[in-house]
Amino acid sequence: DTAVSQTPKYLVTQMGNDKSIKCEQNLGHDTMYWYKQDSKKFLKIMFSYNNKELIINETVPNRFSPKSPDKAHLNLHINSLELGDSAVYFCASSYGTGNTGELFFGEGSRLTVL
Amino acid sequence: KQEVTQIPAALSVPEGENLVLNCSFTDSAIYNLQWFRQDPGKGLTSLLLIQSSQREQTSGRLNASLDKSSGRSTLYIAASQPGDSATYLCAGTTSGTYKYIFGTGTRLKVLA
Repeated sequence: DTAVSQTPKYLVTQMGNDKSIKCEQNLGHDTMYWYKQDSKKFLKIMFSYNNKELIINETVPNRFSPKSPDKAHLNLHINSLELGDSAVYFCASSYGTGNTGELFFGEGSRLTVL
Repeated sequence: KQEVTQIPAALSVPEGENLVLNCSFTDSAIYNLQWFRQDPGKGLTSLLLIQSSQREQTSGRLNASLDKSSGRSTLYIAASQPGDSATYLCAGTTSGTYKYIFGTGTRLKVLA
């Protein structure tokens, strides 16, 4: 059983399109995250939700909108895609807010914007 | 603003060597620290977590330690194997924040 699963694994799309990535965790965690890994492999946090409440919102263009329908799911919707949005997007989860949790990652969703 | 540097950026060693990877935080007030490995095209796999009250963790051939006075962590890999080849990332939280900040990574290649 996959602990943190993301779909789709690969996304290829044209500039200007809108796309969504879905994430689900079956670990019973209450905090979920979106990270972006750029071409240099640097990982940067974008958003975090705890029990469906947004607790971290980094400096991310407002074309990116996360949604957490329940604590096991966190989706990422991206409007008006740009070339610079090409990256691997990772979902992660942990137990507890603040500094209590060990992070578990999904396999990533590779987004290519043409 | 917390920044995390990992040294060396890349490392190539013959099989069987013991090696040390380093991770350094600009803000030494680290709460939790986690080491991960990432294989090409894959997600991150958690290796070791050092929680706030701890200074060291061991799992098999891996040992991680954290010096909170200097904001430095080391990952020691004993008797390296080709299967250890991957990118190793450290990440830490500081007290009062909810987020893990990641290091720049060390690309390790163990030659058979």
